[in-house]
Amino acid sequence: GAGVSQSPSNKVTEKGKDVELRCDPISGHTALYWYRQSLGQGLEFLIYFQGNSAPDKSGLPSDRFSAERTGGSVSTLTIQRTQQEDSAVYLCASSLGTSGRTTYEQYFGPGTRLTVT
Amino acid sequence: AQSVTQPDIHITVSEGASLELRCNYSYGATPYLFWYVQSPGQGLQLLLKYFSGDTLVQGIKGFEAEFKRSQSSFNLRKPSVHWSDAAEYFCAVGGENTDKLIFGTGTRLQVFP
Repeated sequence: GAGVSQSPSNKVTEKGKDVELRCDPISGHTALYWYRQSLGQGLEFLIYFQGNSAPDKSGLPSDRFSAERTGGSVSTLTIQRTQQEDSAVYLCASSLGTSGRTTYEQYFGPGTRLTVT
Repeated sequence: AQSVTQPDIHITVSEGASLELRCNYSYGATPYLFWYVQSPGQGLQLLLKYFSGDTLVQGIKGFEAEFKRSQSSFNLRKPSVHWSDAAEYFCAVGGENTDKLIFGTGTRLQVFP
């Protein structure tokens, strides 16, 4: 079956512009996660969805970042007024996430590399 | 607070040599522990996981890891490394008290022929 897909794979944008990053999780996975991976850094948790709701937004770095999920499937991460420090690889993951241990077996997409010039 | 420490930023080994990547965690309850591998330009792939039971867990690609509660460690091992194992390896911790995984900063493995 298809894995987690993300688009675009690469995005170059000018400082101050808005960008949208898309994640299509594995079919049937109810939990969806966004992470940011900056050069030389580990994975920084951004936000987590269970269905269409986001119980944990604690990782969003500023109010320029927002995310939504519709239909319990596709999610969009939006960054408004991009800054150079937003340059990173944005990774999406999904898990069965109904309860218990399956929540934590996360399957990752290939990421979107964002470059803000 | 939960945290994961991977003390080795970069490790170089010769092909055929044994490998151990270190991971130490901090978690207030019973942890769930994971190792992921990221090849260049790729997403992360789950290598192995520990929830409970046998403290030595086997994963894909010939990797294993041992959970040592007394040392708060979950080190990854492989008896004989292949050139294709060159990648970045991430340790992560989760548990019943949280909905998310906390990742370490990763260890980059370089393999020389």
